[in-house]
Amino acid sequence: EADIYQTPRYLVIGTGKKITLECSQTMGHDKMYWYQQDPGMELHLIHYSYGVNSTEKGDLSSESTVSRIRTEHFPLTLESARPSHTSQYLCASSEYTLSGAVEQFFGPGTRLTVL
Amino acid sequence: GQQVMQIPQYQHVQEGEDFTTYCNSSTTLSNIQWYKQRPGGHPVFLIQLVKSGEVKKQKRLTFQFGEAKKNSSLHITATQTTDVGTYFCAGSNQAGTALIFGKGTTLSVSS
Repeated sequence: EADIYQTPRYLVIGTGKKITLECSQTMGHDKMYWYQQDPGMELHLIHYSYGVNSTEKGDLSSESTVSRIRTEHFPLTLESARPSHTSQYLCASSEYTLSGAVEQFFGPGTRLTVL
Repeated sequence: GQQVMQIPQYQHVQEGEDFTTYCNSSTTLSNIQWYKQRPGGHPVFLIQLVKSGEVKKQKRLTFQFGEAKKNSSLHITATQTTDVGTYFCAGSNQAGTALIFGKGTTLSVSS
């Protein structure tokens, strides 16, 4: 079982609130990712990181921000939540190799509802 | 940019029937991965294919990587209700870059 954790699992908040979704992994993986996924739909990469102090934007434009101060921790922050941010947010991690992409381990996800 | 297309989007089968989902990339891939997401769950890694023409089997699941490394397929023989979920392919075209996920094929199985 993959050791990657996300909190909270479920969050219902009002418009305009600032929120931080937590993601931690104990596998020592250098690469971490945030995906956004609506129910039954595809995964959209919104942020990723190659390691400490590295953050990159993904394919889907997002109003969220991320930080990577420690290897094991990759929090995602929304400064002012809106109903359009309602979705599931999945965190993932993987080893970093020069030989190509490797298996990604996904956390259980945070289901966010913005009223 | 690179695109990974997956068909069909949905498939319903009777238990015992076979099922196949296909994945096509607009560019040559360095490798392709397959994931399964159960309803309400998160994606779980199934397998990675790296070599041109590679075929790998996991019990009733057969994974294939095309000769040109631009397409892949997942075939399930004699589906069971436990096979229900969404199957995603994901590819990368350069070493170390992020994976590009297909839109997934959602499989439903009736007994």
